[in-house]
Amino acid sequence: EDQVTQSPEALRLQEGESSSLNCSYTVSGLRGLFWYRQDPGKGPEFLFTLYSAGEEKEKERLKATLTKKESFLHITAPKPEDSATYLCAVQAAFSGGYNKLIFGAGTRLAVHP
Amino acid sequence: DTEVTQTPKHLVMGMTNKKSLKCEQHMGHRAMYWYKQKAKKPPELMFVYSYEKLSINESVPSRFSPECPNSSLLNLHLHALQPEDSALYLCASSLQVGSGNTIYFGEGSWLTVV
Repeated sequence: EDQVTQSPEALRLQEGESSSLNCSYTVSGLRGLFWYRQDPGKGPEFLFTLYSAGEEKEKERLKATLTKKESFLHITAPKPEDSATYLCAVQAAFSGGYNKLIFGAGTRLAVHP
Repeated sequence: DTEVTQTPKHLVMGMTNKKSLKCEQHMGHRAMYWYKQKAKKPPELMFVYSYEKLSINESVPSRFSPECPNSSLLNLHLHALQPEDSALYLCASSLQVGSGNTIYFGEGSWLTVV
């Protein structure tokens, strides 16, 4: 069964304290792994798409990496405005022919000054 | 410009009311989606439209009725809802239905059923 597990559930950081969020997946034929950021009461904001092991993408203080079993979202020198829930989602090869995203439960990140 | 616009942002309705949620995108995307999200949970897929035709209904109760008037618009008609239907309803779109296409979400419509 296709599954996505994110850890930790919640993470508290001091401003400037770098860390990583983990997304482990079990899927039959990965077609894409997606990272989203979600602020309270708002829709998920797209961050990155990764397609194959070894791929890396960066945006400001965020860097996403992908292996055959997991993805990491590295946050370098975070600021309070990086506080949000970070969602990981995967698309599998045989998902009924449509674009179903299998979401993890998310990691709630709080960055304190 | 990756923008999906949803209206209204907030909606309160009684269990006997009929209301609609609206969604619009002008990115030329041919796939549109409705998701439901409860507090502290990830989004759950409800419906998928591809080229204005309903292609997937994830066993959603008939009190939710989707409609796709054209390639840019998506509606969700609501009737006789229950309090447990209170949630954030998210519209999304992607270039195509099919693996590998990035799905872009709107800001959502907060629905409260009283």
